[in-house]
Amino acid sequence: SAVISQKPSRDICQRGTSLTIQCQVDSQVTMMFWYRQQPGQSLTLIATANQGSEATYESGFVIDKFPISRPNLTFSTLTVSNMSPEDSSIYLCSVVGTSAQFFGPGTRLTVL
Amino acid sequence: AQKVTQAQTEISVVEKEDVTLDCVYETRDTTYYLFWYKQPPSGELVFLIRRNSFDEQNEISGRYSWNFQKSTSSFNFTITASQVVDSAVYFCALTRSGGYQKVTFGTGTKLQVIP
Repeated sequence: SAVISQKPSRDICQRGTSLTIQCQVDSQVTMMFWYRQQPGQSLTLIATANQGSEATYESGFVIDKFPISRPNLTFSTLTVSNMSPEDSSIYLCSVVGTSAQFFGPGTRLTVL
Repeated sequence: AQKVTQAQTEISVVEKEDVTLDCVYETRDTTYYLFWYKQPPSGELVFLIRRNSFDEQNEISGRYSWNFQKSTSSFNFTITASQVVDSAVYFCALTRSGGYQKVTFGTGTKLQVIP
């Protein structure tokens, strides 16, 4: 399985600010995925990020709010823009391995 | 459309008891994969098992076992002789087979093992 790291592991942010979350994978992968997990809820896919092309967003998520970069095959960032308390969640990046989809440790975001 | 239902929101058991987590799924696909993930309080999502829709054999891994029944669209997970370290939220998930396909997660079952 791939080893996935995320930065920061957690953050507390003020309303109206933006936070960029980094995801690093120890091997080259074609597709990377960003998920959101609101408190006590299941995982919801935000977008799929392919290297060299624009991310594909799921219904309910837009690029202005969650811009994503994918500069190479091992790295991606997700920015949560103009944050509100409703954005308080765990954000997880993920890649597809040989047997399953594997997840990073998550970034726990609290917006005050 | 795909759907995964985990009807048990929270379960509490006393250590050493056996516990079964239920998962029922819906899909129109003939081939698909089913998964179980564990999310301990630290938050990371740990992959436990993948089952191909063609493979209905039950699987046992240590204290964990999985019962896949296509006839009832269920993929249940049993922990034998539960331990405090098993306390976590467990997610059942479903995806189509063939390359990358979107993963559909259930709502999760929170398991608390009481010492």
